[in-house]
Amino acid sequence: DSGVTQTPKHLITATGQRVTLRCSPRSGDLSVYWYQQSLDQGLQFLIQYYNGEERAKGNILERFSAQQFPDLHSELNLSSLELGDSALYFCASSVAAGINTIYFGEGSWLTVV
Amino acid sequence: KNQVEQSPQSLIILEGKNCTLQCNYTVSPFSNLRWYKQDTGRGPVSLTIMTFSENTKSNGRYTATLDADTKQSSLHITASQLSDSASYICVVSGPQGTYKYIFGTGTRLKVLA
Repeated sequence: DSGVTQTPKHLITATGQRVTLRCSPRSGDLSVYWYQQSLDQGLQFLIQYYNGEERAKGNILERFSAQQFPDLHSELNLSSLELGDSALYFCASSVAAGINTIYFGEGSWLTVV
Repeated sequence: KNQVEQSPQSLIILEGKNCTLQCNYTVSPFSNLRWYKQDTGRGPVSLTIMTFSENTKSNGRYTATLDADTKQSSLHITASQLSDSASYICVVSGPQGTYKYIFGTGTRLKVLA
C-alpha cells in the first residue's frame, strides 16, 4: 500500500459525460501528479501540482482539468468524454516537487461507452 | 522530439537467472531517470532514481546504470524470482526545471519456474 488513495476504483460512463476522479496523497506529501495509462499509449504524464499550485503540465487535453485543494487532495475533471478517454488514471504523490520518490495510487479505471 | 525507447519489448527467463533491460532516450537536457516496476493493473512502484551525475544505483536485486553521454540506461535484475514478473518502465524527466515526465513503453518480463 503506497498510501495514495484514489476514488472511485472503477467508473463506467457514457460519451459526452463529465466525471471527477479524486486523490488523497500520502500524509505529508505536498506534490500530486496525474497520469493516464491506455493500452495504445502507455503511461502519460498529465499534470503536477505542488502545494496547491500547478507545477508542470504534460499531455493533458483541454477537456481535462485538475486542481489541488488546501487540504492537498486533488481532483481530475474529465469532460465531454470520448471513447478514447477510456483508460486507467493514476494519481501519485511525493514529498516535494523535485527529485523525490513518487508513490502511485492503485488507479481509477474509466470506461467510456 | 523527446523520446524514451525500451528494449526488449518482452522477455521470458527462468527463475534464478539474471537479465538486463535497456532504455535509450533522446531527452536533452534531462533532470533524472527513473525505473519503475508495474504489476498488471496496479500502480507503478519506484525502483531507482538517478540524476545525470550518477552512474549506478542499486535497490536490492535491482541495479540501474546510466551513461549520460550515450543517453542509455540499463536495469539489471539478479537472481530473478517469480515475483519479478511485471512490466518495467523507464521514465526520463526533462527538460530540466519543468519536471515533465516522459515514459518508455516498458519491457514485459515473465519469470518461469
